[in-house]
Amino acid sequence: RKEVEQDPGPFNVPEGATVAFNCTYSNSASQSFFWYRQDCRKEPKLLMSVYSSGNEDGRFTAQLNRASQYISLLIRDSKLSDSATYLCVVMDTGFQKLVFGTGTRLLVSP
Amino acid sequence: DTGVSQNPRHKITKRGQNVTFRCDPISEHNRLYWYRQTLGQGPEFLTYFQNEAQLEKSRLLSDRFSAERPKGSFSTLEIQRTEQGDSAMYLCASSLRRDPTEAFFGQGTRLTVV
Repeated sequence: RKEVEQDPGPFNVPEGATVAFNCTYSNSASQSFFWYRQDCRKEPKLLMSVYSSGNEDGRFTAQLNRASQYISLLIRDSKLSDSATYLCVVMDTGFQKLVFGTGTRLLVSP
Repeated sequence: DTGVSQNPRHKITKRGQNVTFRCDPISEHNRLYWYRQTLGQGPEFLTYFQNEAQLEKSRLLSDRFSAERPKGSFSTLEIQRTEQGDSAMYLCASSLRRDPTEAFFGQGTRLTVV
């Protein structure tokens, strides 16, 4: 079983739609969680950290459910520029490295 | 440019040849990571350095792979006797110690083995 699992998509949504991605992680001792965004043929960039209490950054909301070991990302009012791959990322228990999921591809159409 | 720099950006090599990639991290960052990414997959951890010390290596890193960071600044990743399965994007990232949440990635070196 992979440490971090995501639905690869693609998720095809129209502009203005709300879309949600989930990911699950296998190590219950994991402490830190993130969403990274990766544009086609570009490097990953940190989108936001995920806190137990949930956190919001503009149109983006991230939540963590430790009991079920899943992380979610909600994007409201989708823009064309949101089209990208969203990588769910967990920091390993030794706080040494980031472990990435396979990514979920989002395509926002006019 | 104060970001992470990787060279070359693209490399095409024949099977069996050796290749070397370079990563220049953000200057004050003491942690440096190497990841490999293939099409449709997320980045896979290869190895990381704390200053010049290589502290962890993934099982993905076969004996044909070697990485160095001789003075705790830039790093090189060498692949010997390349195989077609080595074709991938090789990403370097750097961060301050114990804060890999702020890991910044370079644009990667895309390796194609023909």
